[in-house]
Amino acid sequence: QVQLVQSGAEVAKPGASVKVSCKASGYTFTNYYIHWVRQAPGQGLEWMGIIDPSGGSTTYAQKFQGRVTMTRDTSTSTLYMELSSLRSEDTAVYYCARGPTSRFDPWGQGTLVTVSS
Amino acid sequence: IQLTQSPSFLSASVGDRVTITCRASQGISNYLAWYQQKPGRAPDLLIYAAYTLQSGVPSRFSGSGSGTEFTLTISSLQPEDFATYYCQQLNTYPLTFGGGTKVEIK
Repeated sequence: QVQLVQSGAEVAKPGASVKVSCKASGYTFTNYYIHWVRQAPGQGLEWMGIIDPSGGSTTYAQKFQGRVTMTRDTSTSTLYMELSSLRSEDTAVYYCARGPTSRFDPWGQGTLVTVSS
Repeated sequence: IQLTQSPSFLSASVGDRVTITCRASQGISNYLAWYQQKPGRAPDLLIYAAYTLQSGVPSRFSGSGSGTEFTLTISSLQPEDFATYYCQQLNTYPLTFGGGTKVEIK
């Protein structure tokens, strides 16, 4: 079945970077875009950006421009999202989600990133 | 594009008919999806393209609307439906979500 499995929880210090992985299985990796979404504790969903696993092209939300980098490894069907210059407001659960044009399905299980000194 | 969901909180009983509204700040055709999220879980897709039911989702869920106004209806609320619901527009980058509607047991 189609599945996205994310890496485990991370704790990072302010100013540092964190890299979250998302391993895809059950479908042709290069056929579907992958989105990254985050959710701060008790808050709603926030779209961060999209990557085309085929060519690696990306589009980022303006809010994260300059701080986020989305990459992929086609040999292992794995996507990565790296966020730098972390601050306390970046504490959130980060999700990857497969995106046909009209919807996000399925989602990864989420990765909690805690930014704390 | 801003999405405004209403209400933000809803208290209802098992068997009730529930309607959630999502208004877009500009027209998005039918590029709207609805998700259900339970505590500690990732969102699950319910409806896409405004009214297309995702495979495996019970038929008590339905969606309607086009342009700027959309609704999600649960025809007869079941115990497993108590959750938070989000709308999402996929018409224009940046993609955006509504603020959510939390459905709780009365």
